[in-house]
Amino acid sequence: QVQLIQSGAEVKKPGASVKVSCKTSGYTYIGYYIQWVRQAPGQGLEWMGWINPDRGATDSAQKFQGRVNMSWDTSSRVAYMEMSRLQSDDTAVYYCASSYSSSTADYFDPWGQGTLVTVSS
Amino acid sequence: QSVLTQPPSASGTPGQRVTMSCSGSNSNIGSNIVNWYQQLPGTAPKLLMYSDDQRPSGVPDRFSGSRSGTSASLAISGLQSEDEADYHCAAWDDSLDAWVFGGGTKLTVL
Repeated sequence: QVQLIQSGAEVKKPGASVKVSCKTSGYTYIGYYIQWVRQAPGQGLEWMGWINPDRGATDSAQKFQGRVNMSWDTSSRVAYMEMSRLQSDDTAVYYCASSYSSSTADYFDPWGQGTLVTVSS
Repeated sequence: QSVLTQPPSASGTPGQRVTMSCSGSNSNIGSNIVNWYQQLPGTAPKLLMYSDDQRPSGVPDRFSGSRSGTSASLAISGLQSEDEADYHCAAWDDSLDAWVFGGGTKLTVL
């Protein structure tokens, strides 16, 4: 079955960048999407965007445009989410998740285990 | 503030039926399907319900979902201690061009 394994926790200073990885395995089809969602401490979930590994296409929520870069390494089948100009309110657990498509009728399943990113001076 | 509105907490005793709501607007729940995710303490979210009322393989039929107008609801019957978790609703928002979530409802089994 599909599995998503994320990189370990990170501690960054304000203004720095962070790159979170999401190693994928178990896919039996192409054309899937990797979604990125974050959850600040004690808060709800917030969608950040997606990447389509097959085409290299990306889309992101307006809030993150210009600050988040999603990429894919074909040889290792790893998705990356890099966020720049970190601030304290970017402290959150960052999740990758899989979807079949970018359709508004789709769903996210499964999810990675999450990566805690702490931004502190 | 989350775009979709969920009550922050809900509770019930073992065996009871509990319902939790998710309220939105015409641009999200009023136009698109709703998915629900269960998040057990200290773990990642897991798909619980998709396309309003469809249960993924492995999810007990104690869980049911529905959508009407700009609201959706998740019901759990025969409540069990292992159902204690946070429950998040999600829908696509046509105005924001983004997936939006509720703030989550923390379910306590008394």
